[in-house]
Amino acid sequence: KAGVTQTPRYLIKTRGQQVTLSCSPISGHRSVSWYQQTPGQGLQFLFEYFSETQRNKGNFPGRFSGRQFSNSRSEMNVSTLELGDSALYLCASSKGDVNNEQFFGPGTRLTVL
Amino acid sequence: AQSVSQHNHHVILSEAASLELGCNYSYGGTVNLFWYVQYPGQHLQLLLKYFSGDPLVKGIKGFEAEFIKSKFSFNLRKPSVQWSDTAEYFCAVNAENYGQNFVFGPGTRLSVLP
Repeated sequence: KAGVTQTPRYLIKTRGQQVTLSCSPISGHRSVSWYQQTPGQGLQFLFEYFSETQRNKGNFPGRFSGRQFSNSRSEMNVSTLELGDSALYLCASSKGDVNNEQFFGPGTRLTVL
Repeated sequence: AQSVSQHNHHVILSEAASLELGCNYSYGGTVNLFWYVQYPGQHLQLLLKYFSGDPLVKGIKGFEAEFIKSKFSFNLRKPSVQWSDTAEYFCAVNAENYGQNFVFGPGTRLSVLP
């Protein structure tokens, strides 16, 4: 079974720009969660999508948004980029029940200059 | 709100030494508990998980963890580490009322000296 894939793997943007990251979950998984990983803050939950609906949301500003398509693929968008948005963005998929583990993708490394 | 703490930021061991990484969480309800590992240059992988039942759970690569409900702890252990265990280890908690919102600890970096 193919794992979680994320594209692109690396991105360099400048302040004020916007960026879209993509995640393809494991086949059959309906839940996609996004996390931000930084050396200072560790892994922080951004949001979760299940069956095209945002089901959970972390404490991030509205500049961070996402969506999920009918094939469970998900995109995350960050608008008006700030230097502090530089991070590894991880996507995780699961079947969606509370007793399901999450499987992580390799991440997208975003650098904001 | 849930939170997860890990006792050590960086642990350095020699090969064959025993390992115990501490993890404590704060949440009064029912939780699911996980340990993930991130090897250098690789993505997060699940080491083991606890949902219910026997509080001593065994995972991959000889790792095990014990859930002590009264102490809100889920410590990771391995009797004899290898150089290949060098990685960052994350404890994570998922509470029943929080869906797929996993709360991760800050991570413990393990360096195993050959």
